[in-house]
Amino acid sequence: GDSVTQMEGPVTLSEEAFLTINCTYTATGYPSLFWYVQYPGEGLQLLLKATKADDKGSNKGFEATYRKETTSFHLEKGSVQVSDSAVYFCALSFSGGYNKLIFGAGTRLAVHP
Amino acid sequence: EAGVTQFPSHSVIEKGQTVTLRCDPISGHDNLYWYRRVMGKEIKFLLHFVKESKQDESGMPNNRFLAERTGGTYSTLKVQPAELEDSGVYFCASSPDVLAGELFFGEGSRLTVL
Repeated sequence: GDSVTQMEGPVTLSEEAFLTINCTYTATGYPSLFWYVQYPGEGLQLLLKATKADDKGSNKGFEATYRKETTSFHLEKGSVQVSDSAVYFCALSFSGGYNKLIFGAGTRLAVHP
Repeated sequence: EAGVTQFPSHSVIEKGQTVTLRCDPISGHDNLYWYRRVMGKEIKFLLHFVKESKQDESGMPNNRFLAERTGGTYSTLKVQPAELEDSGVYFCASSPDVLAGELFFGEGSRLTVL
Protein backbone atom coordinates (compact mmCIF):
# COMPACT_ATOMS: atom_id res chain seq x y z
CA GLY A 1 0.00 0.00 0.00
CA ASP A 2 0.90 3.66 -0.09
CA SER A 3 3.32 4.74 2.62
CA VAL A 4 5.84 7.35 3.74
CA THR A 5 9.16 6.65 5.41
CA GLN A 6 11.12 9.28 7.29
CA MET A 7 14.50 9.20 8.92
CA GLU A 8 14.28 8.43 12.59
CA GLY A 9 15.02 11.12 15.09
CA PRO A 10 15.78 12.85 17.16
CA VAL A 11 18.00 15.06 15.09
CA THR A 12 20.11 17.35 17.24
CA LEU A 13 21.90 20.30 15.64
CA SER A 14 23.67 23.44 16.63
CA GLU A 15 22.22 26.76 15.57
CA GLU A 16 23.18 27.73 11.99
CA ALA A 17 23.87 24.12 11.00
CA PHE A 18 22.58 22.62 7.78
CA LEU A 19 19.50 20.44 8.07
CA THR A 20 18.37 17.49 6.00
CA ILE A 21 15.45 15.27 6.95
CA ASN A 22 15.02 12.38 4.54
CA CYS A 23 11.61 11.32 3.29
CA THR A 24 10.79 8.64 0.75
CA TYR A 25 7.42 7.38 -0.34
CA THR A 26 5.74 4.41 -1.94
CA ALA A 27 2.67 5.18 -3.99
CA THR A 28 0.66 3.56 -6.75
CA GLY A 29 0.00 6.85 -8.51
CA TYR A 30 1.35 10.38 -8.55
CA PRO A 31 0.69 11.95 -5.18
CA SER A 32 1.09 15.45 -3.87
CA LEU A 33 3.76 15.67 -1.18
CA PHE A 34 3.77 17.72 1.99
CA TRP A 35 5.83 18.65 4.99
CA TYR A 36 3.90 19.46 8.12
CA VAL A 37 5.49 20.80 11.31
CA GLN A 38 4.32 20.60 14.90
CA TYR A 39 5.86 23.15 17.26
CA PRO A 40 5.64 22.45 20.99
CA GLY A 41 2.12 23.00 22.31
CA GLU A 42 0.64 23.58 18.88
CA GLY A 43 -1.20 21.66 16.20
CA LEU A 44 0.37 20.48 12.97
CA GLN A 45 0.68 23.16 10.33
CA LEU A 46 1.56 22.95 6.68
CA LEU A 47 5.17 23.94 6.06
CA LEU A 48 5.42 23.38 2.30
CA LYS A 49 4.09 21.22 -0.47
CA ALA A 50 4.74 20.08 -4.05
CA THR A 51 2.12 18.71 -6.39
CA LYS A 52 4.12 17.23 -9.27
CA ALA A 53 7.53 15.89 -10.13
CA ASP A 54 10.44 18.36 -10.00
CA ASP A 55 8.35 20.94 -8.17
CA LYS A 56 10.14 22.64 -5.29
CA GLY A 57 8.17 23.69 -2.24
CA SER A 58 9.65 26.36 -0.01
CA ASN A 59 8.71 28.31 3.10
CA LYS A 60 10.52 29.94 6.04
CA GLY A 61 13.90 29.00 4.57
CA PHE A 62 12.94 25.33 4.21
CA GLU A 63 12.94 23.62 0.83
CA ALA A 64 11.98 20.23 -0.56
CA THR A 65 12.01 18.97 -4.15
CA TYR A 66 9.64 16.31 -5.49
CA ARG A 67 11.91 13.64 -7.00
CA LYS A 68 9.89 11.03 -8.85
CA GLU A 69 12.94 9.02 -9.94
CA THR A 70 14.01 8.45 -6.34
CA THR A 71 10.50 8.75 -4.83
CA SER A 72 11.84 11.27 -2.35
CA PHE A 73 10.93 14.61 -0.83
CA HIS A 74 13.81 15.49 1.49
CA LEU A 75 13.47 18.58 3.67
CA GLU A 76 16.44 20.97 3.81
CA LYS A 77 17.36 24.23 5.47
CA GLY A 78 20.65 25.97 5.13
CA SER A 79 20.88 27.46 8.62
CA VAL A 80 18.60 26.27 11.40
CA GLN A 81 17.52 28.35 14.37
CA VAL A 82 16.51 27.36 17.88
CA SER A 83 12.95 28.28 16.91
CA ASP A 84 12.95 25.50 14.29
CA SER A 85 12.89 22.89 17.06
CA ALA A 86 9.76 20.87 16.36
CA VAL A 87 8.50 17.58 14.99
CA TYR A 88 8.43 17.38 11.19
CA PHE A 89 6.05 15.08 9.33
CA CYS A 90 6.29 14.11 5.68
CA ALA A 91 2.98 13.19 4.05
CA LEU A 92 1.30 12.42 0.75
CA SER A 93 -2.18 12.59 -0.67
CA PHE A 94 -3.83 11.93 -3.99
CA SER A 95 -5.87 14.22 -6.16
CA GLY A 96 -9.46 13.23 -5.67
CA GLY A 97 -8.54 11.71 -2.36
CA TYR A 98 -10.39 14.31 -0.32
CA ASN A 99 -7.22 15.48 1.42
CA LYS A 100 -6.72 12.09 3.04
CA LEU A 101 -3.12 12.35 4.16
CA ILE A 102 -0.72 9.45 4.63
CA PHE A 103 1.96 10.46 7.12
CA GLY A 104 5.40 9.32 8.01
CA ALA A 105 6.31 8.69 11.65
CA GLY A 106 7.69 12.17 12.20
CA THR A 107 11.22 13.39 12.94
CA ARG A 108 11.94 15.42 16.04
CA LEU A 109 14.45 18.21 15.54
CA ALA A 110 16.21 19.85 18.47
CA VAL A 111 18.36 22.88 17.76
CA HIS A 112 20.58 24.20 20.54
CA PRO A 113 22.39 27.54 20.75
CA GLU B 1 -10.12 33.72 13.51
CA ALA B 2 -10.14 30.81 15.91
CA GLY B 3 -8.28 27.69 14.87
CA VAL B 4 -9.31 24.09 15.34
CA THR B 5 -9.88 23.43 19.01
CA GLN B 6 -9.94 20.08 20.74
CA PHE B 7 -11.07 19.03 24.18
CA PRO B 8 -9.83 17.61 26.47
CA SER B 9 -6.14 18.13 25.91
CA HIS B 10 -5.37 15.06 28.00
CA SER B 11 -7.57 12.31 29.35
CA VAL B 12 -6.53 9.44 31.60
CA ILE B 13 -9.04 6.60 31.97
CA GLU B 14 -9.13 2.99 33.02
CA LYS B 15 -9.55 0.14 30.60
CA GLY B 16 -13.23 -0.47 29.99
CA GLN B 17 -14.30 3.11 30.59
CA THR B 18 -15.71 5.49 28.02
CA VAL B 19 -14.14 8.68 26.73
CA THR B 20 -15.53 11.31 24.40
CA LEU B 21 -13.24 13.67 22.54
CA ARG B 22 -14.56 16.84 21.00
CA CYS B 23 -13.39 18.89 18.04
CA ASP B 24 -14.52 22.33 16.95
CA PRO B 25 -13.34 23.01 13.41
CA ILE B 26 -12.62 26.39 11.91
CA SER B 27 -15.91 28.12 11.20
CA GLY B 28 -17.09 27.51 7.67
CA HIS B 29 -14.95 24.45 7.08
CA ASP B 30 -17.18 21.71 5.74
CA ASN B 31 -14.49 19.04 5.89
CA LEU B 32 -13.50 17.57 9.23
CA TYR B 33 -10.99 14.79 9.78
CA TRP B 34 -9.90 12.64 12.67
CA TYR B 35 -6.40 11.18 12.84
CA ARG B 36 -4.55 9.23 15.51
CA ARG B 37 -0.89 8.88 16.45
CA VAL B 38 -0.05 5.88 18.56
CA MET B 39 3.23 5.46 20.45
CA GLY B 40 5.21 7.94 18.35
CA LYS B 41 4.38 6.12 15.14
CA GLU B 42 2.71 7.39 12.00
CA ILE B 43 -0.29 9.65 12.21
CA LYS B 44 -3.06 7.52 10.78
CA PHE B 45 -6.32 8.59 9.20
CA LEU B 46 -9.49 7.59 11.01
CA LEU B 47 -12.34 9.27 9.15
CA HIS B 48 -13.57 12.24 7.17
CA PHE B 49 -16.81 14.19 7.43
CA VAL B 50 -18.25 16.45 4.80
CA LYS B 51 -20.66 18.58 6.76
CA GLU B 52 -22.61 16.05 8.85
CA SER B 53 -22.05 13.07 6.55
CA LYS B 54 -19.27 10.51 6.81
CA GLN B 55 -17.36 10.63 3.54
CA ASP B 56 -14.79 8.02 4.48
CA GLU B 57 -14.53 6.02 7.69
CA SER B 58 -12.13 3.39 6.40
CA GLY B 59 -9.57 4.13 9.09
CA MET B 60 -11.79 3.51 12.09
CA PRO B 61 -10.16 0.64 13.98
CA ASN B 62 -13.28 -1.17 15.18
CA ASN B 63 -16.82 -0.68 16.38
CA ARG B 64 -15.67 0.60 19.77
CA PHE B 65 -15.10 3.92 18.04
CA LEU B 66 -18.04 6.14 17.15
CA ALA B 67 -17.73 9.52 15.48
CA GLU B 68 -20.50 12.03 15.02
CA ARG B 69 -20.77 15.51 13.64
CA THR B 70 -23.91 17.18 14.82
CA GLY B 71 -25.39 19.63 12.34
CA GLY B 72 -22.15 19.78 10.44
CA THR B 73 -20.45 21.81 13.15
CA TYR B 74 -18.45 20.26 15.97
CA SER B 75 -17.57 16.58 16.06
CA THR B 76 -17.18 14.00 18.81
CA LEU B 77 -15.22 10.79 18.86
CA LYS B 78 -16.31 8.30 21.47
CA VAL B 79 -14.33 5.26 22.50
CA GLN B 80 -16.40 2.69 24.36
CA PRO B 81 -15.08 0.59 26.00
CA ALA B 82 -11.52 1.84 25.89
CA GLU B 83 -8.65 -0.63 25.57
CA LEU B 84 -4.96 -0.18 26.33
CA GLU B 85 -4.05 -0.01 22.64
CA ASP B 86 -6.31 3.01 22.19
CA SER B 87 -3.77 5.19 23.98
CA GLY B 88 -2.32 7.87 21.76
CA VAL B 89 -2.87 11.37 20.48
CA TYR B 90 -6.07 12.03 18.55
CA PHE B 91 -5.85 14.89 16.10
CA CYS B 92 -8.71 16.71 14.49
CA ALA B 93 -8.29 18.73 11.33
CA SER B 94 -10.53 20.77 9.08
CA SER B 95 -10.39 22.26 5.61
CA PRO B 96 -12.66 24.44 3.51
CA ASP B 97 -12.32 22.26 0.45
CA VAL B 98 -10.65 19.09 -0.77
CA LEU B 99 -8.60 20.60 -3.57
CA ALA B 100 -5.65 22.42 -2.06
CA GLY B 101 -4.39 19.64 0.14
CA GLU B 102 -3.95 21.75 3.25
CA LEU B 103 -5.48 20.65 6.50
CA PHE B 104 -5.66 22.80 9.61
CA PHE B 105 -4.97 20.76 12.70
CA GLY B 106 -5.84 21.10 16.34
CA GLU B 107 -3.30 20.51 19.10
CA GLY B 108 -4.58 17.00 19.67
CA SER B 109 -6.17 15.16 22.57
CA ARG B 110 -3.86 12.80 24.36
CA LEU B 111 -5.62 9.67 25.60
CA THR B 112 -4.01 7.42 28.17
CA VAL B 113 -5.76 4.14 28.96
CA LEU B 114 -4.50 2.38 32.09
